[in-house]
Amino acid sequence: DAGVIQSPRHEVTEMGQEVTLRCKPISGHDYLFWYRQTMMRGLELLIYFNNNVPIDDSGMPEDRFSAKMPNASFSTLKIQPSEPRDSAVYFCASSFLGVGTQYFGPGTRLTVL
Amino acid sequence: GIQVEQSPPDLILQEGANSTLRCNFSDSVNNLQWFHQNPWGQLINLFYIPSGTKQNGRLSATTVATERYSLLYISSSQTTDSGVYFCAVGDSGAGSYQLTFGKGTKLSVIP
Repeated sequence: DAGVIQSPRHEVTEMGQEVTLRCKPISGHDYLFWYRQTMMRGLELLIYFNNNVPIDDSGMPEDRFSAKMPNASFSTLKIQPSEPRDSAVYFCASSFLGVGTQYFGPGTRLTVL
Repeated sequence: GIQVEQSPPDLILQEGANSTLRCNFSDSVNNLQWFHQNPWGQLINLFYIPSGTKQNGRLSATTVATERYSLLYISSSQTTDSGVYFCAVGDSGAGSYQLTFGKGTKLSVIP
């Protein structure tokens, strides 16, 4: 398997623009997690899905953030409108079972100017 | 929520040396994972170890769940071991499969 795939790897945008991050989990995994990593706050869980259904979105910072999983092989994290404080590395991870080993994608480094 | 403390925050080793990294957590857990983030930012899962002991090559880990700590051992360290080691814990009994990450131990192995 190719592992968890994320795109784009790098994104530079201007404040106010819409940003969409994409993730393809490992085939057969039923859980998908979105994390954000910053120097100040470390690694934080934003939201996770089970069988394409959002289960816990308590980590989503505000209404500007939204996530979807239209099918088992694709998820998006959207920020609209983006702000400079959203600059971070966003990781997607997947696992088989909620308590299973989590496998991380390479991350998307987002810079909002 | 669960608090996770990792120590030491920074560690510098000579190549070939051994080291022990510690992870303390504040509550009972049924999920504990160790990750290595390499200098290029990739997060690699090292161990899924909510209890007991596991070994994988030069790395091994032990979790004593009743005493709320886990240890990661690195033997005969190599420069490729450099990076940040994270401990992450979770308790699905609380109704969520969320993992809470510690701040990490930054390891530098010098030749």
